[in-house]
Amino acid sequence: AQSVTQLDSQVPVFEEAPVELRCNYSSSVSVYLFWYVQYPNQGLQLLLKYLSGSTLVESINGFEAEFNKSQTSFHLRKPSVHISDTAEYFCAVSEKGSNYKLTFGKGTLLTVNP
Amino acid sequence: DADVTQTPRNRITKTGKRIMLECSQTKGHDRMYWYRQDPGLGLRLIYYSFDVKDINKGEISDGYSVSRQAQAKFSLSLESAIPNQTALYFCATSETGTETTDTQYFGPGTRLTVL
Repeated sequence: AQSVTQLDSQVPVFEEAPVELRCNYSSSVSVYLFWYVQYPNQGLQLLLKYLSGSTLVESINGFEAEFNKSQTSFHLRKPSVHISDTAEYFCAVSEKGSNYKLTFGKGTLLTVNP
Repeated sequence: DADVTQTPRNRITKTGKRIMLECSQTKGHDRMYWYRQDPGLGLRLIYYSFDVKDINKGEISDGYSVSRQAQAKFSLSLESAIPNQTALYFCATSETGTETTDTQYFGPGTRLTVL
């Protein structure tokens, strides 16, 4: 069965600093990988995803994540964060052939301070 | 208007009461899901439905039931609510089809408190 581990439950950073949110997964088959973001008092929305092809994927607001099969990781990075990036970030995995059922990590709360 | 709506947005109820949470979507998606979110535990899948006649249990279905009344509507029921069902509940939808049908779209959530 698939599982997801987000190594940090909280990550506080200062504005304009770089950030990395770590995600490792476990699966016996090929996977699809996702990062979802939840802003305060809102539902989740897709930030970016890896399905196939280039292992580096980017979002429209400057985040990127790299699929590393050998390390079973999909870490999320941004070179310079803004106050508005404050949110909870969830890594999720879906095994190929599972009809896109998602298993979520426990979330990482990113707090960007001025 | 929001594509995925949930009602009510907040609900306080007592132990033993029956409660229904409703989800409606205007995205035309076949697939619908119910999750619960607990602090520090992330989201866990309760039930999912890939079309009107297809209902499947998720990882934590005990104490819950669902009804898919139409393509656009998917309700979650707690037959006899208990305090450990206090949580934030999310409905989500996704398309059916090829490899692009992976993205789930979430509603705003229902905060349920069971006293």
